[in-house]
Amino acid sequence: DGGITQSPKYLFRKEGQNVTLSCEQNLNHDAMYWYRQDPGQGLRLIYYSQIVNDFQKGDIAEGYSVSREKKESFPLTVTSAQKNPTAFYLCASRRDGGSSSYNSPLHFGNGTRLTVT
Amino acid sequence: SQELEQSPQSLIVQEGKNLTINCTSSKTLYGLYWYKQKYGEGLIFLMMLQKGGEEKSHEKITAKLDEKKQQSSLHITASQPSHAGIYLCGADFRSGNTDKLIFGTGTRLQVFP
Repeated sequence: DGGITQSPKYLFRKEGQNVTLSCEQNLNHDAMYWYRQDPGQGLRLIYYSQIVNDFQKGDIAEGYSVSREKKESFPLTVTSAQKNPTAFYLCASRRDGGSSSYNSPLHFGNGTRLTVT
Repeated sequence: SQELEQSPQSLIVQEGKNLTINCTSSKTLYGLYWYKQKYGEGLIFLMMLQKGGEEKSHEKITAKLDEKKQQSSLHITASQPSHAGIYLCGADFRSGNTDKLIFGTGTRLQVFP
């Protein structure tokens, strides 16, 4: 079945450590996105990528980094510079991130809950 | 700044009652999406609206986009416990040559018997 896989579902880290969240899709989608969700704040855009080897900062990119070396993979690294990393992280993809993307809804993974202590 | 405002933030209704959730933007919406989320899970796509005045329905859920394409509503008829969850609206906003999909703050719906 085609879809988006995020792993792991739960992740625990000590403060000061970098951690990488995995996101893989087999939908052959060009565009991929990372969102962060905190209670009462909806989804906030961290980074997005419309094509391999290219990505753009979203609204809350500070303390995060991404790479897009392959079409199907868009890993997110939460660095020690991120002040409040504990959150629920959601990865999504859609067919095309260009102007035709107005016709294309996002498909979401099941999320990774990161807890940093 | 919040480009998409959603209201109400939370809603508690009795089973069988109708309800409406609103999503408003100060900018023209070129693509408006409604999603549903169960706590701790990913988002499930419900409907997409693109044209002013457009209306779509699926089972007991109806979504509308106003003529000016700045406001959308999601209406649930005869609510059931299975409708409980978080409803989020999302919209495409052009940033240079790219499109980013921004979401509202969400509406938490509880349906009690």
